[in-house]
Amino acid sequence: GAGVSQTPSNKVTEKGKYVELRCDPISGHTALYWYRQSLGQGPEFLIYFQGTGAADDSGLPNDRFFAVRPEGSVSTLKIQRTERGDSAVYLCASSSQKGRDSPLHFGNGTRLTVT
Amino acid sequence: KNEVEQSPQNLTAQEGEFITINCSYSVGISALHWLQQHPGGGIVSLFMLSSGKKKHGRLIATINIQEKHSSLHITASHPRDSAVYICAVQGGGADGLTFGKGTHLIIQP
Repeated sequence: GAGVSQTPSNKVTEKGKYVELRCDPISGHTALYWYRQSLGQGPEFLIYFQGTGAADDSGLPNDRFFAVRPEGSVSTLKIQRTERGDSAVYLCASSSQKGRDSPLHFGNGTRLTVT
Repeated sequence: KNEVEQSPQNLTAQEGEFITINCSYSVGISALHWLQQHPGGGIVSLFMLSSGKKKHGRLIATINIQEKHSSLHITASHPRDSAVYICAVQGGGADGLTFGKGTHLIIQP
């Protein structure tokens, strides 16, 4: 079936604006992760959902960042009052369940540029 | 917090060479992932390990839980293997993955 889909693939916004990034996980995958990758760095964890609930949001950098997954499938990462330092590739991954035998499937990411 | 270190950071080799990329971590984990990222591309999961060794084609991944160390090997390397290889660990108190900074591999024809 289809893989993890992220939209948009690219987003350019002005400093101070609000943005939403969308992730469509593989159908039936209950675990969903958001990561952020800055240029030349490895990805860093933002938030993890198990079903509809945010099981771990310890990676969100501050209260401008928020993510939802209201029906346990599609997730939206929301960034308020964007800053230039928010520019990065935002990656989404899903797996069938949290655990040692559940490989991750990554989307192609959304490249966010804040000008 | 788990500290994940990869070595080398950059590696250039000739086609056909045997490649080894290393990963070490500081806190016990439930699983370790090896990921591949092509320039401008998405991330592809190569292996997920919790113990022992896995092989897929020309790729081999091993993990030593006691030593907190894993290696990714590529046999008969090919230019299409050129990519960034990222080690990521799961568990050790965190739900999300903790990533290494990646190893940038270039295989020259």
